[in-house]
Parts: sequence; structure tokens; C-alpha cells
Amino acid sequence: DIQMTQSPSSLSASVGDTVTITCRASQDVKHWLAWYQQEPGKVPKLLISGASTLHSGVPSRFSGSGSGTDFTLTINSLQPEDFATYYCQQADSLPVTFGQGTRVDMK
Amino acid sequence: QVQLVQSGAEVKKPGASVKLSCKTSGYTFTSYYLHWVRQAPGQGLEWMGTINPNDGNTKYEQKFQGRVTMSRDTSTTTIYMELSSLRSDDTAVYYCVRLSTGRSGWYYFDPWGQGTRVTVSS
Repeated sequence: DIQMTQSPSSLSASVGDTVTITCRASQDVKHWLAWYQQEPGKVPKLLISGASTLHSGVPSRFSGSGSGTDFTLTINSLQPEDFATYYCQQADSLPVTFGQGTRVDMK
Repeated sequence: QVQLVQSGAEVKKPGASVKLSCKTSGYTFTSYYLHWVRQAPGQGLEWMGTINPNDGNTKYEQKFQGRVTMSRDTSTTTIYMELSSLRSDDTAVYYCVRLSTGRSGWYYFDPWGQGTRVTVSS
């Protein structure tokens, strides 16, 4: 199975900050990497697929990069609605695996 | 629009079974794989398995092998997930989700059902 490791597990930030979350795969997943946002008590929401393709309706302050085993989610100019937990997920092979999540909370 | 609507919350005793449903609409049921993902309280997302609605073929996460059964009913465009021999650590929100692909060709999970809370308690 492909292990997905996110870092950090949590971070504190302020509105307007730039936030970077890293996701590392235990083996090459090429560009088969998606990012999801989950607010407390809500359903996960797709942000990015293919490592860098922004999903329809997702604000442009979100961006993704990387390929192979190392990926990054960047949130520019953090907004109040961005305080949530973020998950990476590899879609290269079964079983599908998720990172453990990165919680972004208010400093 | 594409919708996945799940059945309501369940409370079960240890050792019992639970069968959840996920009713789909707004697209051709047989054209997209559907998956089940669960989330224990305060924990991350855990993939359980997938079903091909076209032929009913399934693939399960190894840790659930022997306890999980996924099925589908093409007449009602609904999938089901039955989990047996429930334990307290099966307490979680269970999501069904469609494996989709956009114009870019990348696969992703979207949309998600609203989730079904399963509580296992004596």
C-alpha cells in the first residue's frame, strides 16, 4: 500500500498569511494526487486533482504542485473560511490512501 | 445535478451488522465507480472499498476483508455497504463517494454523500 504522510499535522496562522502543507507518498504516484478541505462537521470538499488542477469553483488562492512523491498545497492570503483540515489522497492505485490530515487553525 | 443521498444514522450493539445505502441520481449510474470512506470521531479519512456499478465487481481494503460486503441495485441506482461483527472502533461517519474525472482526465472523489453516522455501543 502507498503511505501518504502530511506535514505538519497542524499549524496556526492568521488571516492574510500564506500557508504551505506538504504531502509525501511512499512511492511514485506520478500526478495522481488530490487535495480535500474538510470543515468541522462537514463533508470533505475537493480542491485540487492531478496535483495542480484547481477544481471548479475553488478560489485561486489555493494552488497545488509536485509530482512523483512530493507534493505541496499552498493557500495564499488565508481567509476566515479556510480554517479547516486538509487531506491529500493518492489516486494512482488501490487501495486509495489519504494523508492523516493537516489542521489549520487561527493563531 | 449529481447527488448521493445516504441512509440515516444507525446505533448498533457490538457483534451486530449494519447495512447502509447510498442513492445516486443525476448521472448514468453504471458509468462511475463508487467508493466507501469512513471517518472515526476526530480521526482522518479511511478508504474501505469500491464497487463497479456496471458489473457489481468489488475491491475491499484488506483490513475489512471478510466483514464488508458492497452491493448495488441498478434498478434503483443505489449502492449498499454492509459491515458485520461490529466493534466499538467501527463507530464512525461513513461516506459514499463517486470516483469522477474531469476534462483534465484526473481522477478524484466528488461528489460525496452527506455521510451516515454509525454508533456501536453496548
